Amino acid sequence: DAKTTQPPSMDCAEGRAANLPCNHSTISGNEYVYWYRQIHSQGPQYIIHGLKNNETNEMASLIITEDRKSSTLILPHATLRDTAVYYCIVRVAMGYNYGQNFVFGPGTRLSVLP
Amino acid sequence: DAGVIQSPRHEVTEMGQEVTLRCKPISGHNSLFWYRQTMMRGLELLIYFNNNVPIDDSGMPEDRFSAKMPNASFSTLKIQPSEPRDSAVYFCASSLQANTEAFFGQGTRLTVV
Repeated sequence: DAKTTQPPSMDCAEGRAANLPCNHSTISGNEYVYWYRQIHSQGPQYIIHGLKNNETNEMASLIITEDRKSSTLILPHATLRDTAVYYCIVRVAMGYNYGQNFVFGPGTRLSVLP
Repeated sequence: DAGVIQSPRHEVTEMGQEVTLRCKPISGHNSLFWYRQTMMRGLELLIYFNNNVPIDDSGMPEDRFSAKMPNASFSTLKIQPSEPRDSAVYFCASSLQANTEAFFGQGTRLTVV
């Protein structure tokens, strides 16, 4: 079972920031938070990941709360092409049993509206 | 790099036939994952390999499914015999190491009639 909870759907106006929340209240100290998205009919696409510090790359920013029990993915200027299902995953970074921790939940369906 | 390459992109087959899905991971990646996606069950991890060795196949639904990775640049997922309930999109993904981000292929849409 996925270790994360996300809202099933969200809308965002084009050009505005999209803030996608994720709850991972049972996260362990050695687990990273990963975000992927899946645009219709395509394979999941890696976006960003982090452990406890906020992270930013060319696609998005990841804000992790100090207690690490929740995080927010921020798309600073959403476009129509950002319409997709966004998955939040917690995953062990050390040790051998990686696959069991790479579990996709139902995600959040983000609709960017013109 | 061309990314993870899967073939075929679409496959339609009759119930009872053998189906082989193919995957070429990104060059230099040491881990490979096979996933299945359906509307009912979402994305499910079937099996993953590390350095060509199957590490965990607990997600493989039943003995009709088998996966191999004969070398670092090629993997197959075989279903024999296929059944209509196997209809799904099958994704292959690879990562540099088992604990780094994975990159997905475009998937194979399998329809068993």
